[in-house]
Amino acid sequence: GQQVMQIPQYQHVQEGEDFTTYCNSSTTLSNIQWYKQRPGGHPVFLIQLVKSGEVKKQKRLTFQFGEAKKNSSLHITATQTTDVGTYFCADPVRGGNTPLVFGKGTRLSVIA
Amino acid sequence: DAGVIQSPRHEVTEMGQEVTLRCKPISGHNSLFWYRQTMMRGLELLIYFNNNVPIDDSGMPEDRFSAKMPNASFSTLKIQPSEPRDSAVYFCASSLSANYGYTFGSGTRLTVV
Repeated sequence: GQQVMQIPQYQHVQEGEDFTTYCNSSTTLSNIQWYKQRPGGHPVFLIQLVKSGEVKKQKRLTFQFGEAKKNSSLHITATQTTDVGTYFCADPVRGGNTPLVFGKGTRLSVIA
Repeated sequence: DAGVIQSPRHEVTEMGQEVTLRCKPISGHNSLFWYRQTMMRGLELLIYFNNNVPIDDSGMPEDRFSAKMPNASFSTLKIQPSEPRDSAVYFCASSLSANYGYTFGSGTRLTVV
């Protein structure tokens, strides 16, 4: 299996600006999960996407799963300092009910 | 529920010593995972248990690493002998199954000098 690729690796934004991180795969994904890890903390589960073209929202966070199920994105509207951290996508790289393999993550810094 | 509990939070040990990391998963979760996180390699899966049985240990770096899950409420990851390159944060996570969201513990930061 191939690890999903995340871009960008780092992103610095002014507070109030929007932020997007992308997760890409060369193969079709059965599902994808997103996690957030605060500096010095542990990964925290945000959401799971399963269906082609699925869009889910959590307050200022919008998650999308591509129509071909080969990519996903996380968009944050009007970032706040509390959004600081590293955002990971993860997928069961061998499909189905197999353990998650995590992307390298996108580290978000928010300048007040 | 107190979440996934790991101990110790920090461990500093000398090269060659044995290190044992401990994990208590969330009650009712059937799957348990050990991950290692470093700046260079990110989050790497070491081993995965389902219903206390090791299912996939292909991520265990070498024979110096071993993991056990004697019952549904306890797992250990042992490194013997430890080496400086083992320095990392080791996370334990549990889930209802591999296909659900994972709950991570706070991690053990291991430093081998």
